[in-house]
Amino acid sequence: GAVVSQHPSRVICKSGTSVKIECRSLDFQATTMFWYRQFPKQSLMLMATSNEGSKATYEQGVEKDKFLINHASLTLSTLTVTSAHPEDSSFYICSAKDGNTEAFFGQGTRLTVV
Amino acid sequence: AQKVTQAQTEISVVEKEDVTLDCVYETRDTTYYLFWYKQPPSGELVFLIRRNSFDEQNEISGRYSWNFQKSTSSFNFTITASQVVDSAVYFCALRVAYGNKLVFGAGTILRVKS
Repeated sequence: GAVVSQHPSRVICKSGTSVKIECRSLDFQATTMFWYRQFPKQSLMLMATSNEGSKATYEQGVEKDKFLINHASLTLSTLTVTSAHPEDSSFYICSAKDGNTEAFFGQGTRLTVV
Repeated sequence: AQKVTQAQTEISVVEKEDVTLDCVYETRDTTYYLFWYKQPPSGELVFLIRRNSFDEQNEISGRYSWNFQKSTSSFNFTITASQVVDSAVYFCALRVAYGNKLVFGAGTILRVKS
């Protein structure tokens, strides 16, 4: 099956700093990528949907200026958590799809803000 | 709007027992897709099955089987002869045909004890 690689798998950052998470489709062109957030023992909540070359569409309640999403190529999308705070600590997971397939998920990134 | 309900928060079974995970969904669309994913402790989402709304045939894959009942809007998942490696969080999800967005249930934690 298709492979989606997410990096890093774990990151610890200091409060107030920014952290970037990458999501790459390794063997297909991802026209659409999705970013999810998962709090401990909770479900996945969609944060935003991004189509290559256009601005991301954010779900209600997600701060665009805090969670910057870039999808500049057909194989890479990035999520930057700006001015991170401890409450941003969470598991972030991306998924990617082309026009014909279902979305494939990355391995996830566990962010801890100290 | 779409909604997926997994009423069972946590299930514990002893190895070799059969276990059924319930999933009830809501949608006004007539064409949609239902999914099951497994999330082991490592965090990645493992795709298990996709079923479209026009295909009510039950499916069996090894120890896994799925029962799709449109009349009750349910898509239940049974693991036969459970094993410790089946311990994970299992998510049911729904996507309407015209959209990209996956709506997840809250997840069911399955603990299989030896």
